[in-house]
Amino acid sequence: DQQVKQNSPSLSVQEGRISILNCDYTNSMFDYFLWYKKYPAEGPTFLISISSIKDKNEDGRFTVFLNKSAKHLSLHIVPSQPGDSAVYFCAARSNYKLTFGKGTLLTVNP
Amino acid sequence: IAGITQAPTSQILAAGRRMTLRCTQDMRHNAMYWYRQDLGLGLRLIHYSNTAGTTGKGEVPDGYSVSRANTDDFPLTLASAVPSQTSVYFCASSETGGAGQPQHFGDGTRLSIL
Repeated sequence: DQQVKQNSPSLSVQEGRISILNCDYTNSMFDYFLWYKKYPAEGPTFLISISSIKDKNEDGRFTVFLNKSAKHLSLHIVPSQPGDSAVYFCAARSNYKLTFGKGTLLTVNP
Repeated sequence: IAGITQAPTSQILAAGRRMTLRCTQDMRHNAMYWYRQDLGLGLRLIHYSNTAGTTGKGEVPDGYSVSRANTDDFPLTLASAVPSQTSVYFCASSETGGAGQPQHFGDGTRLSIL
């Protein structure tokens, strides 16, 4: 049973527009949520996180929104840049361990 | 540059052979982790260690063992490799296992078992 789901395997947006990456979870014991970005042949890189007691966290062009009642979080990237093209993983923490989604491939077209 | 070093970067191995993937970090992080990434499955936790001298099982521990003799090193051993262990393996570390502590990842080891 997949506890963290990223239902869109890929997303394509135009440069300058908003990218919205979505993630759903089933385990109400998750206390922290994180987004990672991964380029080919590299390890994942931490982007932004949010505690389960908050509903929004912003860092520059990246904003994460958490809707606990819907068990849903999203990552907004505004404005999107070609260098943002990568695989984005949603991760959720429980008992000091992370559970990852399968990832969404974001392509930002110039 | 501080970070996590994984070795080897890639390896082709015959089934039945023993293999140890090395992971070293110089950030003095207490917690370390091993993940495997398979196409369409994301990253799955194999084993973890919250501090030197302790280890724990993750989501997919079977066929793998780890040790944590000191803070910096966290080797992953496949005692008798099988083709289903073909994957990309990532080592990660964090200051502690505590809330909000992001994990920092190495660049991975691509392992093919024939």
